[in-house]
Amino acid sequence: SSELTQDPAVSVALGQTVRITCQGDSLRRYHASWYQRKPGQAPVLVIYGKNNRPSGIPDRFSGSTSGNTASLTITGAQAEDEADYYCNSRDSSGNHVVFGRGTKLTVL
Amino acid sequence: QVQLQESGPGLVKPSETLSLTCTVSGGSISNYYWSWIRQPPGKGLEWIGNIYYSGSTNYSPSLKSRVTISVDTSKNQFSLKLSSVTAADTAVYYCAREVVFCSGGSCYGMDVWGQGTTVTVSS
Repeated sequence: SSELTQDPAVSVALGQTVRITCQGDSLRRYHASWYQRKPGQAPVLVIYGKNNRPSGIPDRFSGSTSGNTASLTITGAQAEDEADYYCNSRDSSGNHVVFGRGTKLTVL
Repeated sequence: QVQLQESGPGLVKPSETLSLTCTVSGGSISNYYWSWIRQPPGKGLEWIGNIYYSGSTNYSPSLKSRVTISVDTSKNQFSLKLSSVTAADTAVYYCAREVVFCSGGSCYGMDVWGQGTTVTVSS
């Protein structure tokens, strides 16, 4: 299967830790990347590879993978982290890019 | 710092061809994959296809019959054509640079995105 499955919505209390997951067969071969998208803005890469953050991304964002499931963890969620989060990777063939359907994160 | 800028008509008539161009500034188009992604209203991100700077392409299986992506390295631009559009093609269209972060090619990611351009399909 070339699909990546994400929960539609997750909520977290301010300052607490939240994990957003992404499941798919291709994740056994390819690492997921994670993107944050806020309304009216372009997506921003927040995690790539095993657990790497681009310059400027706070260290409260981290990534991990176990089997066919990739996870994005926000440790000490802030109000500004409220956004849609998308995972993506190559599909099992390696030729196509696939995105998860996104998880809407609400910070309470 | 590399920047991407989409350009093209914001309104396209049904059955016509949508054409967009992405201009790469602040860096070279060489040695990277370049993707088109869209987001229909109220929906998630959808990958349309990509092109390597050398010209090799890959397209989403669901759009393959209608999509053409090309590159002009002399202008540092790549382009999207989507034919026979319908209202379902109404979306914000993004261009993005895709990087191979890991040796062995096990991790890819889109590290630079354009701001996005809204395309509406309507008569």
